[in-house]
Amino acid sequence: EAGVAQSPRYKIIEKRQSVAFWCNPISGHATLYWYQQILGQGPKLLIQFQNNGVVDDSQLPKDRFSAERLKGVDSTLKIQPAKLEDSAVYLCASSLDQGTRGYTFGSGTRLTVV
Amino acid sequence: SQELEQSPQSLIVQEGKNLTINCTSSKTLYGLYWYKQKYGEGLIFLMMLQKGGEEKSHEKITAKLDEKKQQSSLHITASQPSHAGIYLCGADIGAGGTSYGKLTFGQGTILTVHP
Repeated sequence: EAGVAQSPRYKIIEKRQSVAFWCNPISGHATLYWYQQILGQGPKLLIQFQNNGVVDDSQLPKDRFSAERLKGVDSTLKIQPAKLEDSAVYLCASSLDQGTRGYTFGSGTRLTVV
Repeated sequence: SQELEQSPQSLIVQEGKNLTINCTSSKTLYGLYWYKQKYGEGLIFLMMLQKGGEEKSHEKITAKLDEKKQQSSLHITASQPSHAGIYLCGADIGAGGTSYGKLTFGQGTILTVHP
């Protein structure tokens, strides 16, 4: 089966610019997660979707971050405007149903804000 | 305090030495996942443990789950330079008999293996 697809792999932007990341989960996986991993730390959950609904976005900085999963399949995470502290690896993961049969992670997008 | 504590934060060993990384949860564990990561890259799945007392091995890496202690350990035997990287434990934790349905991660352990 195809894995979780993420793009782009790398992105460099200037502060105050906007950026978007895309994720396509494994086919049939109802739950999709976006994590932020600042280098030197463990990944932190930003948002969890169940189909096209949000289950948990308590750690998403909503003044600048937004995410959507309109048709319950692929998802986009946007940052507008970006700050230096947003430099991190953004990881997308999916699971069949909220952790059932495990979690599969994509290759991540490494964002550098200069 | 962190829900998932990983130790040590960094480890430097000589090639051929054994080493252990620990991961302790403050909440009930419903599943424990070990990943390896190269700096700035995605996560490479190593092992998943779900039952107390469960032990899994892959090549020279062994992971165990102590459900009572809410703890897991990752042991590498006869380390090699190829084992170098960041090791992350991720836990499916919960309360009241229910998993939260998401992974919570430890801070990671940076492993350096000197040839």
